[in-house]
Amino acid sequence: ILNVEQSPQSLHVQEGDSTNFTCSFPSSNFYALHWYRWETAKSPEALFVMTLNGDEKKKGRISATLNTKEGYSYLYIKGSQPEDSATYLCAFRNRAPYAGGTSYGKLTFGQGTILTVHP
Amino acid sequence: NAGVTQTPKFQVLKTGQSMTLQCAQDMNHNSMYWYRQDPGMGLRLIYYSASEGTTDKGEVPNGYNVSRLNKREFSLRLESAAPSQTSVYFCASPKSGRGLYNEQFFGPGTRLTVL
Repeated sequence: ILNVEQSPQSLHVQEGDSTNFTCSFPSSNFYALHWYRWETAKSPEALFVMTLNGDEKKKGRISATLNTKEGYSYLYIKGSQPEDSATYLCAFRNRAPYAGGTSYGKLTFGQGTILTVHP
Repeated sequence: NAGVTQTPKFQVLKTGQSMTLQCAQDMNHNSMYWYRQDPGMGLRLIYYSASEGTTDKGEVPNGYNVSRLNKREFSLRLESAAPSQTSVYFCASPKSGRGLYNEQFFGPGTRLTVL
């Protein structure tokens, strides 16, 4: 079982604050790191897929960085808004055997960081 | 396109009862997955199907069975429900193939309570 850890478990911030949280994963046999955003009573939705050491991805006020050598990724939210309140999940995928040219490695999810943005 | 659909959305069972959770995807993906989500534990893989006709155990398969009925449908069965199976269940289907990194598309979830 692969160890994927997220910290902190929960976070409360005021509207307008910037915030960040961490996903730690095994540094060997890396293939991809996913970030998902999960709002209450909805399905998780993909934010980013990161594959290269040093990758930086950005979507609006949300950005993420990746360090595969030390096994961590940061997710940043600039100027948090109440609608950013959600659980943010990371998921690690290691290299899997190829079958017929298609890889089907599984994702290992972290436990999530619950973000609450107060107006 | 509906993406990934699941039924039912809510279910309450008594210990020992059986039920089947249904999942369907209309994205023509090969792979389908069943996860359970419990507080503080993230999403844990129960079973997956890499392609039509194949199924494999995930991290927490005990107490469950699955059927990949066809390319679209992947069902999860609890033969004799236990309180420890109270959870939220998500079906997912990834974009698969070289370079696509298995980004998951999730269904709306089934909230199951076993009394």
